[in-house]
Amino acid sequence: DSGVTQTPKHLITATGQRVTLRCSPRSGDLSVYWYQQSLDQGLQFLIHYYNGEERAKGNILERFSAQQFPDLHSELNLSSLELGDSALYFCASSVLGTGTWNEQFFGPGTRLTVL
Amino acid sequence: AQSVTQLGSHVSVSEGALVLLRCNYSSSVPPYLFWYVQYPNQGLQLLLKYTSAATLVKGINGFEAEFKKSETSFHLTKPSAHMSDAAEYFCAVSEVYSGNTPLVFGKGTRLSVIA
Repeated sequence: DSGVTQTPKHLITATGQRVTLRCSPRSGDLSVYWYQQSLDQGLQFLIHYYNGEERAKGNILERFSAQQFPDLHSELNLSSLELGDSALYFCASSVLGTGTWNEQFFGPGTRLTVL
Repeated sequence: AQSVTQLGSHVSVSEGALVLLRCNYSSSVPPYLFWYVQYPNQGLQLLLKYTSAATLVKGINGFEAEFKKSETSFHLTKPSAHMSDAAEYFCAVSEVYSGNTPLVFGKGTRLSVIA
């Protein structure tokens, strides 16, 4: 158990819908990263938040957005869902993330299925 | 831009045989390199990391990897495979000096261990 929790574990929805994935980082970790794992694209970095502020964006679609709240939990919002958004979404947390390396601890993931 | 290439999407070895999983990276600055393991229906777990100290890095579960700058490689090895090693392995790179530390992953190599 990494200490990172993600809810829900599984999510099945229809095209065009909107969903919210939630991540609670390890106690004391200030950074939250979101990654998407799909069969065709592999594991891709989506976005990084540090202490409530967006730090870096990767291959995140405009239909997707995220935020990190004052209690440091993070939510990833996916809207206008398409079949191709079906994937495993991972959240990872680390202590820092401001230029020095800190191990990223991964949550168990949320499996999103868009029908 | 940084990238990672893992040679072989699937590697099969006999129990007790040598495990060799190949990883080559491309990075414009000295990178930090990682191997992660993903067991079925679980998140990613860090096996080992290279962060510019010793070039031969030892990790958990008997795995080790050697950083070879001249070959831009970071291959993962284990002298004797165990059935419990069957999993998906991901090589990743991070350009820490850029000020943030999202990971760039390879496509992954699925390791099968045959009894």
